[in-house]
Amino acid sequence: KAGVTQTPRYLIKTRGQQVTLSCSPISGHRSVSWYQQTPGQGLQFLFEYFSETQRNKGNFPGRFSGRQFSNSRSEMNVSTLELGDSALYLCASSSGGVETSYTFGSGTRLTVV
Amino acid sequence: GQQLNQSPQSMFIQEGEDVSMNCTSSSIFNTWLWYKQDPGEGPVLLIALYKAGELTSNGRLTAQFGITRKDSFLNISASIPSDVGIYFCAGQASGTYKYIFGTGTRLKVLA
Repeated sequence: KAGVTQTPRYLIKTRGQQVTLSCSPISGHRSVSWYQQTPGQGLQFLFEYFSETQRNKGNFPGRFSGRQFSNSRSEMNVSTLELGDSALYLCASSSGGVETSYTFGSGTRLTVV
Repeated sequence: GQQLNQSPQSMFIQEGEDVSMNCTSSSIFNTWLWYKQDPGEGPVLLIALYKAGELTSNGRLTAQFGITRKDSFLNISASIPSDVGIYFCAGQASGTYKYIFGTGTRLKVLA
């Protein structure tokens, strides 16, 4: 089956702008989780959506938001971009139950200048 | 944010050597996952562990779910150049749906 698709792969934005990233999970998967990966901080959990509802949230400011559509596709939005938001943003797809593993997409590399 | 302690942070090894890395947590986990990430790509699942004491292999890789449920170990036998990458552990606590990731072990193999 098709894997997890993240678009775009690369993005360059200016400070103060906003950005929207997209993630299409594996067919049949209802959970999408988002992570921010930076060299210094590793993989930091942003939030998880399951059946169009945010089920878990990490410790990121309100500038980071997300949503999930009825087809399980998810979008992540970052408003008022800061230089420190430059990172690889990864989404992970799963069936959404406990004790199920994640399948990651290739990520979106966001650079804020 | 919350993270697991993973060690070593990085290691250089000779091709053909065995490799060991581990992950520890202050919390009890019900599931441990091990991933490998190549540059510019997302992490790829290597092994999933669902029961304390469980020992699972995937080719030259073997992982164990610690008895205390607060740690996990990954061993790679007879390393080869394509083993280069960053290895991450991830744990899921009981009653939660999110995974907490380790800080990563960067593996470099000298041919």
